[in-house]
Amino acid sequence: GEDVEQSLFLSVREGDSSVINCTYTDSSSTYLYWYKQEPGAGLQLLTYIFSNMDMKQDQRLTVLLNKKDKHLSLRIADTQTGDSAIYFCAESASSASKIIFGSGTRLSIRP
Amino acid sequence: DTGVSQDPRHKITKRGQNVTFRCDPISEHNRLYWYRQTLGQGPEFLTYFQNEAQLEKSRLLSDRFSAERPKGSFSTLEIQRTEQGDSAMYLCASRGGDRTGNEQFFGPGTRLTVL
Repeated sequence: GEDVEQSLFLSVREGDSSVINCTYTDSSSTYLYWYKQEPGAGLQLLTYIFSNMDMKQDQRLTVLLNKKDKHLSLRIADTQTGDSAIYFCAESASSASKIIFGSGTRLSIRP
Repeated sequence: DTGVSQDPRHKITKRGQNVTFRCDPISEHNRLYWYRQTLGQGPEFLTYFQNEAQLEKSRLLSDRFSAERPKGSFSTLEIQRTEQGDSAMYLCASRGGDRTGNEQFFGPGTRLTVL
């Protein structure tokens, strides 16, 4: 079946890098996403990667995909207090398909 | 157009009552999705429309739930005989055609509390 798993909490010091990890089970996943959810705000798509890619970089964000191990990670460089949020890993079989979300990783930043 | 809108933003109801939520997608987005998010969990897919056709329904969508998109624009989600377990955030998302990118844009959600 379709399942996406990620750790529930991550705490990092301001200015350090944050790495959020995720594993998924569906081998037909074509799109892998990272969404951000801040308190009281809607879901915001941060970035996505196609399954035929290994890496994607977008400013402070780096996504790494190990398709063999079905492992996805999101690295946030120079983490700031504004990065405090819940980060959801997600996948879909096609761009029009339903999205399957993980339970989210709550990122907290300490001074 | 400022994005996907949902109404109401909050709904408190008593167990056994019926509730209806509305979603207005981004203009000309032909695909519309409903998700449900409970506390501490990620959103779970409920159903999906392409234009007015309901193409997929999750097993989570029991017979007390019904969704419509009569003219291929706004959509409604109705829950009949609400139960406490229905308490959740109900999210709507829309997406344009294949030429407009891969992003599903999410609305702010309707938070339902069933007493």
